[in-house]
Amino acid sequence: GAVVSQHPSWVICKSGTSVKIECRSLDFQATTMFWYRQFPKQSLMLMATSNEGSKATYEQGVEKDKFLINHASLTLSTLTVTSAHPEDSSFYICSAPRGTSGGAQEQFFGPGTRLTVL
Amino acid sequence: AQSVTQPDIHITVSEGASLELRCNYSYGATPYLFWYVQSPGQGLQLLLKYFSGDTLVQGIKGFEAEFKRSQSSFNLRKPSVHWSDAAEYFCAVGANDYKLSFGAGTTVTVRA
Repeated sequence: GAVVSQHPSWVICKSGTSVKIECRSLDFQATTMFWYRQFPKQSLMLMATSNEGSKATYEQGVEKDKFLINHASLTLSTLTVTSAHPEDSSFYICSAPRGTSGGAQEQFFGPGTRLTVL
Repeated sequence: AQSVTQPDIHITVSEGASLELRCNYSYGATPYLFWYVQSPGQGLQLLLKYFSGDTLVQGIKGFEAEFKRSQSSFNLRKPSVHWSDAAEYFCAVGANDYKLSFGAGTTVTVRA
């Protein structure tokens, strides 16, 4: 099946610094990717839709200036957490759909990135 | 907007016993429904999906799910659970814009 990778898998940073997380579709092209956030023992919450060649669209309540998304190529989307604070500590997961158009597309998920902000 | 409810936060089942995980959805149109499994340190893996057609869907690892429109449900079942089935299970509903809304998840513990 299709593979989506994330890098790094785990990162610790100091409060106030910025962290970049990469999401790559390894064997298919993805014009759209999604970024989710998952708190411990909770569900995945969609943060934003990453669109290749255009601006990302953010879900209500997500600060676009804090969570910068860049989708520079058909296989790479990056999420940068700017001026990170302890409350940004979470598990960040990306996904990329592949297949027929619309909601019937199967989405492939990356393994996630654990961010801990000290 | 679509939403998903998984009423059971945690289920414990004996190895070899049957398992059923409940999922109720809310969506105004024909839903795209999914079940994913998440093991510790692993990404989400698709177990099965329903788009249309036969309401009983077969998936991987011996799982099946039944779509019941009248009950707005998409419950997941497995006749005989293996210890390796211990994981977090998420039901999700999708729309034409590809976005997925996930339920809160059900943690499955398998006892020997």
